[in-house]
Amino acid sequence: GAGVSQSPSNKVTEKGKDVELRCDPISGHTALYWYRQSLGQGLEFLIYFQGNSAPDKSGLPSDRFSAERTGGSVSTLTIQRTQQEDSAVYLCASSISRRIARGEKLFFGSGTQLSVL
Amino acid sequence: RKEVEQDPGPFNVPEGATVAFNCTYSNSASQSFFWYRQDCRKEPKLLMSVYSSGNEDGRFTAQLNRASQYISLLIRDSKLSDSATYLCVVNDYKLSFGAGTTVTVRA
Repeated sequence: GAGVSQSPSNKVTEKGKDVELRCDPISGHTALYWYRQSLGQGLEFLIYFQGNSAPDKSGLPSDRFSAERTGGSVSTLTIQRTQQEDSAVYLCASSISRRIARGEKLFFGSGTQLSVL
Repeated sequence: RKEVEQDPGPFNVPEGATVAFNCTYSNSASQSFFWYRQDCRKEPKLLMSVYSSGNEDGRFTAQLNRASQYISLLIRDSKLSDSATYLCVVNDYKLSFGAGTTVTVRA
């Protein structure tokens, strides 16, 4: 596609339910990042993928969070047993390579607004 | 200590004014630096990369001071459309974002 696509754009769920957030990066982009942004706050790094591998999962807030990427393309962020504090905008971004050297851009999707009631 | 810290502002300036703000980072091994712009309820978008020698892009000037581990952004001749939150981004292997500096340009 032309840009990074995230779905759903909005998700309302009840506390304790599991949710799955999807990110479809730009074709050919090997690096993929997940961030979380709470209202009025900065971006909190969650995890990045280089290809299908996630070298560092330390940004995930708890073991209720997991992410995978298949075929070097689509990524899914799963939150199990959601809590109210999980409510935030979840942003996905992709780039051509991991280096993000000068001139390379990080392209963001428009995010998934997650609301846990 | 946070990996990237920014003055949250807000900076309220009149049209035509110059506004400048800094961002400090903790990882001395960081290799590349960027300024992103985020409008309310929108995703961040790249404003400019920050080069070691400093660089300009129109009314925007970015500087990097590796010794003191900070980068800066200066906006000249502010326009109403410059009102946004400016995010400092440091490539310390995971692309760390600052919490943002809010700039409001008033008529």
